[in-house]
Amino acid sequence: GAVVSQHPSRVICKSGTSVKIECRSLDFQATTMFWYRQFPKKSLMLMATSNEGSKATYEQGVEKDKFLINHASLTLSTLTVTSAHPEDSSFYICSAGQGSSGNTIYFGEGSWLTVV
Amino acid sequence: LAKTTQPISMDSYEGQEVNITCSHNNIATNDYITWYQQFPSQGPRFIIQGYKTKVTNEVASLFIPADRKSSTLSLPRVSLSDTAVYYCLVGDGGFNKFYFGSGTKLNVKP
Repeated sequence: GAVVSQHPSRVICKSGTSVKIECRSLDFQATTMFWYRQFPKKSLMLMATSNEGSKATYEQGVEKDKFLINHASLTLSTLTVTSAHPEDSSFYICSAGQGSSGNTIYFGEGSWLTVV
Repeated sequence: LAKTTQPISMDSYEGQEVNITCSHNNIATNDYITWYQQFPSQGPRFIIQGYKTKVTNEVASLFIPADRKSSTLSLPRVSLSDTAVYYCLVGDGGFNKFYFGSGTKLNVKP
């Protein structure tokens, strides 16, 4: 199946700093990517939809100025957590699809963010 | 809002067939049904996808009745390594967003 890769898989940062997580579609072009966060033993929560060449659309309750999303190319979307706080510590997962009806959405391996 | 409903958890024993049913009463005409498996600290892994009737691949079968308001994932002869959370999602895979429900925690016992 198609491959979606995230980097880094784990990152620790200090409170107040920013951290960037990359999501790449390795063998297909992704016009749309999605970002999720997941707390331990909980389900995935959709944060935002990343659209290539345009602004991301955020789910209700997600701070767009805190979680900056950039989708500059058809194979790369980035999530930047700005001014991170310990409560931002979570598992962040991206997904991508080719944008056609019936096409499967594939998920990245996830990125653990720990803010200390 | 999640568009799917699944049992929270299921127990099984090694070698048994496991059937996990998902309810999606408001499925749209263009929606496909996709099942994913997730292990702790990993992203969801694609298992199977279907639109109607029955789909089978090397790891699972997916049964979808004519009204498409539910679907059943069938895992033949499960092993301990199949212990995971299984999610049923509906969407057209295009620009449709996937909202996750609670998933089903499958616990396979020896």
